[in-house]
Amino acid sequence: GAVVSQHPSRVICKSGTSVKIECRSLDFQATTMFWYRQFPKKSLMLMATSNEGSKATYEQGVEKDKFLINHASLTLSTLTVTSAHPEDSSFYICSARERRMDEQFFGPGTRLTVL
Amino acid sequence: AQRVTQPEKLLSVFKGAPVELKCNYSYSGSPELFWYVQYSRQRLQLLLRHISRESIKGFTADLNKGETSFHLKKPFAQEEDSAMYYCALSDILTGGGNKLTFGTGTQLKVEL
Repeated sequence: GAVVSQHPSRVICKSGTSVKIECRSLDFQATTMFWYRQFPKKSLMLMATSNEGSKATYEQGVEKDKFLINHASLTLSTLTVTSAHPEDSSFYICSARERRMDEQFFGPGTRLTVL
Repeated sequence: AQRVTQPEKLLSVFKGAPVELKCNYSYSGSPELFWYVQYSRQRLQLLLRHISRESIKGFTADLNKGETSFHLKKPFAQEEDSAMYYCALSDILTGGGNKLTFGTGTQLKVEL
């Protein structure tokens, strides 16, 4: 079945640096991927919708210059957290849309810690 | 704006007891409702969606448009049901492959 991977699973970085997180659909093509952020013991908050070959659509309140999304191929979307600060520390989860099944499949998440 | 409310953060039941996880929604369009489950140390996965009208792992959920609810039920809880459950909403025209709004989740703990 449809599998989505994320890399890295865990990353620790210094404040002011940039971090890139990859989301891959392993056995299907995904024209649409989604990026979520999950705070401890809280819900998943949609950050943006990533569309292959076009600009991402960001949710209200999400800084597009801070959270750069690139969806350069049908199996890969990347989220870059630029100039990371401690408040960006969170669990970032991606999902990919499998069109035939009309379903989103989720990655395992990436734990970002900014020191 | 669309909103999904799960009033219970934690629900603890004994094995064999009935389970009901509550979910209410607010949406001006035509909603499609989902339940997702996240077992310990695993990724989020779809449990069921209202349009399929399936029973998965003994769980069922009926969309009640009058009460704007989509409660998840199971007549007899099993230990392996312990997990985090999220209710989610999408627009029925765009379906499950598109933008989802999640509730805050309910942690179900099934005790022996």
